[in-house]
Amino acid sequence: DAGITQSPRHKVTETGTPVTLRCHQTENHRYMYWYRQDPGHGLRLIHYSYGVKDTDKGEVSDGYSVSRSKTEDFLLTLESATSSQTSVYFCAISEFSYRARAEAFFGQGTRLTVV
Amino acid sequence: DAKTTQPPSMDCAEGRAANLPCNHSTISGNEYVYWYRQIHSQGPQYIIHGLKNNETNEMASLIITEDRKSSTLILPHATLRDTAVYYCIVRFKETSNTGKLIFGQGTTLQVKP
Repeated sequence: DAGITQSPRHKVTETGTPVTLRCHQTENHRYMYWYRQDPGHGLRLIHYSYGVKDTDKGEVSDGYSVSRSKTEDFLLTLESATSSQTSVYFCAISEFSYRARAEAFFGQGTRLTVV
Repeated sequence: DAKTTQPPSMDCAEGRAANLPCNHSTISGNEYVYWYRQIHSQGPQYIIHGLKNNETNEMASLIITEDRKSSTLILPHATLRDTAVYYCIVRFKETSNTGKLIFGQGTTLQVKP
């Protein structure tokens, strides 16, 4: 299995509080992604990173920010958590080159509940 | 990135081949077709990918039409453990800043005894 760890795995937080989820990789892959998954919506891309300090928005980026100060860590921050952000969050990594197989590897997910 | 269209659900009898279709009519010459699956609430798992030739690995086969506008994932002998949501995705083959990986709704495959 690819070396990718999400923390925490479960979290309950109150509305209006900031929350940070961490994705840590040991594969030295260039690309990192944050997704959320809700019933009936499949996986939706929140933000992704294509290098240290290089990030871009995905499909559902409102209310979220990210940071990547080093290759191995990609942080997702909910600036002021809302109940609509209750979801399962997945991190993924990918090494993207025409020479490489370039598949993405996913973490085990973080279940976040905002009450 | 090109969009994909998949049927929302399919059934397959255990031991039979499961053929999962995907339409990607706007695919460009620089885009690969990837297949992933997600079992229960686990993170998605890579299955196979291809550009224009048919591909086979230990998990599945991928058949891409000559015009590349559609593809079929084949699980040759489906088992109950293959019950999952299967996602078809297209993405650029070259290294670039546009490394987005966008999932659609996928196909829920139910393998029945």
